[in-house]
Amino acid sequence: DIQMTQSPSSLSASVGDRVTITCRASQSITTYLNWYQQKPGKAPKLLIYATSSLQSGVPSRFSGSGSGTDFTLTISSLQPEDFATYSCQQSYTSPPTFGPGTKVDIK
Amino acid sequence: QVQLVQSGAEVKKPGASVKVSCEASGYTFSSYSMSWVRQAPGQGLEWMGWITTYNGETNYAQRLQGRVTMTADTSTNTAYMELRRLRSDDTAVYYCAVGLIVGAFDFDSWGQGTLVTVSS
Repeated sequence: DIQMTQSPSSLSASVGDRVTITCRASQSITTYLNWYQQKPGKAPKLLIYATSSLQSGVPSRFSGSGSGTDFTLTISSLQPEDFATYSCQQSYTSPPTFGPGTKVDIK
Repeated sequence: QVQLVQSGAEVKKPGASVKVSCEASGYTFSSYSMSWVRQAPGQGLEWMGWITTYNGETNYAQRLQGRVTMTADTSTNTAYMELRRLRSDDTAVYYCAVGLIVGAFDFDSWGQGTLVTVSS
């Protein structure tokens, strides 16, 4: 199975900050990388698919980049509703696997 | 609009079985595979397997082989996940999820989750 890791595991930030989260795959997944946002007690929400494509309705302050094994999720200006846990997931091969998540909380 | 509505929370004893349902609406149920994903308390997401809804073909995560069964009823647009010989580390929120827009593993629609607690 492809292992997914994320860093940092958590971060504290203020409204308006630029936030960057990194995801690494244990082998190349080309650009088959998704990002999910999850709030407490809620199901994950797909934010970005195929590394950099924004799901419908997702604000443009979210962006993704990378290829191969290294990927990045960037929030250009953190908003109050963005405090959540973000997880990456590879959809390159079965089984699809997820990163452990990065919790973004309020500084 | 797409909706996946799951059955309610369950409390089970170790060794028992649990069956969770997921009723789909807003899309053609038999045209898309349904996956099940679980999340233990404070942990990451774990894909459990999927079912091809039109023919019932399944693909399970290796670590759950022999304990999990996924089925689908196209007459009621409902998917089911049964987990047997429950252990305490099966305590988790169980989600059904489907990829409608991009690919089967790009989960753009999720159920609300079903908490399964395994405790003696």
